[in-house]
Amino acid sequence: GDSVTQMEGPVTLSEEAFLTINCTYTATGYPSLFWYVQYPGEGLQLLLKATKADDKGSNKGFEATYRKETTSFHLEKGSVQVSDSAVYFCALHEPGNTPLVFGKGTRLSVIA
Amino acid sequence: DADVTQTPRNRITKTGKRIMLECSQTKGHDRMYWYRQDPGLGLRLIYYSFDVKDINKGEISDGYSVSRQAQAKFSLSLESAIPNQTALYFCATSLAGHGRGGANTGELFFGEGSRLTVL
Repeated sequence: GDSVTQMEGPVTLSEEAFLTINCTYTATGYPSLFWYVQYPGEGLQLLLKATKADDKGSNKGFEATYRKETTSFHLEKGSVQVSDSAVYFCALHEPGNTPLVFGKGTRLSVIA
Repeated sequence: DADVTQTPRNRITKTGKRIMLECSQTKGHDRMYWYRQDPGLGLRLIYYSFDVKDINKGEISDGYSVSRQAQAKFSLSLESAIPNQTALYFCATSLAGHGRGGANTGELFFGEGSRLTVL
């Protein structure tokens, strides 16, 4: 079945450091890919998405590119802030009547 | 007001008690979901419903039941709570997007969560 694997955390970075959170997937079809973010005490919210190969999703300075050849959707940000401290989830969705499949999440802590 | 509202937000109960978590939404979405979040295990799907007459088991449905009372309401029940059901529970909704490239395909909208502790 479909699955999402993302790097284990926690990840601790200093403010203004470069961030990469790796995400790879296994899918039978041609999925859409998502990154969700969960800030402390809140539910998940969509950060960015990409629906086809080579698409780049971007939001709030975060980017991720849909790489079909490597089945990856790595999350990057050039300069993190303390306010980016959160748990980040990679997810995929196959077209049709199937729920999203989530990775296990990566906790990011950014220190000043 | 939140578009997806969960009640209660926090609940402490004892082993063997029946517990109901409620979810209501004002987004007009057909699809609703219940997830469970545990440290190190990410989000796991308990049940989902694509419309009022549709109920589907997710990855970890044992020990849980659901009721879709209306398009806007989806409740999760623990008939006899046990300590390993201590977790953070999330309700989510989505549009019935189909097909690759659809603007809303697969996107979920989450409530703020219900923290349940079973002693």
